[in-house]
Amino acid sequence: DVKVTQSSRYLVKRTGEKVFLECVQDMDHENMFWYRQDPGLGLRLIYFSYDVKMKEKGDIPEGYSVSREKKERFSLILESASTNQTSMYLCASSLGGQGTDTQYFGPGTRLTVL
Amino acid sequence: LAKTTQPISMDSYEGQEVNITCSHNNIATNDYITWYQQFPSQGPRFIIQGYKTKVTNEVASLFIPADRKSSTLSLPRVSLSDTAVYYCLVGDRGTNAGKSTFGDGTTLTVKP
Repeated sequence: DVKVTQSSRYLVKRTGEKVFLECVQDMDHENMFWYRQDPGLGLRLIYFSYDVKMKEKGDIPEGYSVSREKKERFSLILESASTNQTSMYLCASSLGGQGTDTQYFGPGTRLTVL
Repeated sequence: LAKTTQPISMDSYEGQEVNITCSHNNIATNDYITWYQQFPSQGPRFIIQGYKTKVTNEVASLFIPADRKSSTLSLPRVSLSDTAVYYCLVGDRGTNAGKSTFGDGTTLTVKP
């Protein structure tokens, strides 16, 4: 079974802090994704990566950056956290990068920015 | 990009068949339709995928009419554990998965 793990289930940070969310997958998948999920807004793509050191912006990249130094690990970085970034963050991976490839999700990190 | 539209919520009772419809009026020729299920406090998981007509697996069936402008996820004889959010996603083999967009999802509540 594919396993996608996220570093924390719950995280509380203060405004202005630099925040790192880590995601690791164990199936040698090429693609990795970061989404945020808010009530009434569904899943929105922040960034995705189709290879090591490669990334593309999703629908809502503002205020975020990402890092993929190793194939199995994809980090989401909030350079200066703000209260409007309080949300559930979901990481996913897929074997290939096509629109039909199944995405495997982690359990999510609920981030609260005070 | 094919945008999807789903009902926000649906209620059902245990033992009933549930049908959730997704509209995707501007679906492209090469697009496939994929459905995901998300339980509370978990990430979404793949349920089923199809291109046309009917696809069935051990969890659900997916009905896609000839014009492919909509699709219906059918859950037979639901139980309380089927209470979840169901997402419809449209994407094709030729584009990057990042170009496929999840809709807002349908919250299904199954009552005893």
